[in-house]
Amino acid sequence: GDSVTQMEGPVTLSEEAFLTINCTYTATGYPSLFWYVQYPGEGLQLLLKATKADDKGSNKGFEATYRKETTSFHLEKGSVQVSDSAVYFCALSTGGGNKLTFGTGTQLKVEL
Amino acid sequence: NAGVTQTPKFRILKIGQSMTLQCAQDMNHNYMYWYRQDPGMGLKLIYYSVGAGITDKGEVPNGYNVSRSTTEDFPLRLELAAPSQTSVYFCASRIREGTEAFFGQGTRLTVV
Repeated sequence: GDSVTQMEGPVTLSEEAFLTINCTYTATGYPSLFWYVQYPGEGLQLLLKATKADDKGSNKGFEATYRKETTSFHLEKGSVQVSDSAVYFCALSTGGGNKLTFGTGTQLKVEL
Repeated sequence: NAGVTQTPKFRILKIGQSMTLQCAQDMNHNYMYWYRQDPGMGLKLIYYSVGAGITDKGEVPNGYNVSRSTTEDFPLRLELAAPSQTSVYFCASRIREGTEAFFGQGTRLTVV
């Protein structure tokens, strides 16, 4: 079945540091890939997405590239801010599949 | 455009009581989902629906029931609440398979 594996958290960074959160997946066919962000006490919000191989999704300074050869969709940001502190979820959805499959989430803490 | 609306936001139940968590979306989405999120954990799928009149079990359906009589509404019923059902519940919807989901703000439920 489909699955998503994310790096364990929490990840603690200083402000302006470079961020990478690793995400790899297993899926039948060619899934669409997503990153969601959850701020404390809130629901999940779509951060970015990519629907085919080599696509790069980007939003709010975050970006991720759909790598079919390594089945990965790593999230990156060049300079994090305290306001980026949240839990980040990688997810996939296959055409013909009824469900979204989520990773376990990675908590990011950014300190001054 | 309200998106996905969940009510109530908070609720405390006594063991053995029942309640219905409401979820409504105004985006004419066919697919709707219920997830639970335990503290520090990822999302677990409880039930989902691919259209009015059609529901199916997810990973953790025991102790819950759903119905989908309209496209807009997807209520989750808890019968005989147990402490193990203490969690944050999220409803989500999307237009079709392969696309991103939109989440509600969540219902924080405590069973004592």
